[in-house]
Amino acid sequence: GENVEQHPSTLSVQEGDSAVIKCTYSDSASNYFPWYKQELGKRPQLIIDIRSNVGEKKDQRIAVTLNKTAKHFSLHITETQPEDSAVYFCAASLGDTGRRALTFGSGTRLQVQP
Amino acid sequence: DTGVSQDPRHKITKRGQNVTFRCDPISEHNRLYWYRQTLGQGPEFLTYFQNEAQLEKSRLLSDRFSAERPKGSFSTLEIQRTEQGDSAMYLCASSQDSARFVEQYFGPGTRLTVT
Repeated sequence: GENVEQHPSTLSVQEGDSAVIKCTYSDSASNYFPWYKQELGKRPQLIIDIRSNVGEKKDQRIAVTLNKTAKHFSLHITETQPEDSAVYFCAASLGDTGRRALTFGSGTRLQVQP
Repeated sequence: DTGVSQDPRHKITKRGQNVTFRCDPISEHNRLYWYRQTLGQGPEFLTYFQNEAQLEKSRLLSDRFSAERPKGSFSTLEIQRTEQGDSAMYLCASSQDSARFVEQYFGPGTRLTVT
């Protein structure tokens, strides 16, 4: 089955700096790659996703890149703010619709220091 | 609140007891997923339904776990003969099939503690 590795496990940055989180996956049949943000004690929430026919996607301060050949994808957050502090999870799924089971990475705890 | 809801939010049980959790998806969402999350880890997929049909089950889902969605609306997850290793947050998510691309919306979870 699919295996998703995520690193780093913790990341501390100064407010205004950029943060990068990287994930690798094992199943070349995976075509959908969402990123979820989970604040302490709250539910995971989708922040951005990318499908295999796209190499990069941006939404304001966040962007995701995908390299299908190397089977890795990354989350980039620019101009970080204290409210970006949370645990971020990458995930991979078969198909590109988002309907199938998600396989998650182990998470990255991001702390933005004011 | 029109989001995914789960009940109870917390459950403490003794080893060997049976527990049942309920998930109510967002109205008109016909796909419903169950995940389990242990401390410091990402959610692990357990099973999912399209309407009342259970389409996929993880190998993680032992014989002690059973999920149902009898009328294609709410779902229940039952764990029989609980073990300490079952202690985790059980998350439910739902999505709608009407669009080509969908998002899985998560509920707040049920935290299970087995003593």
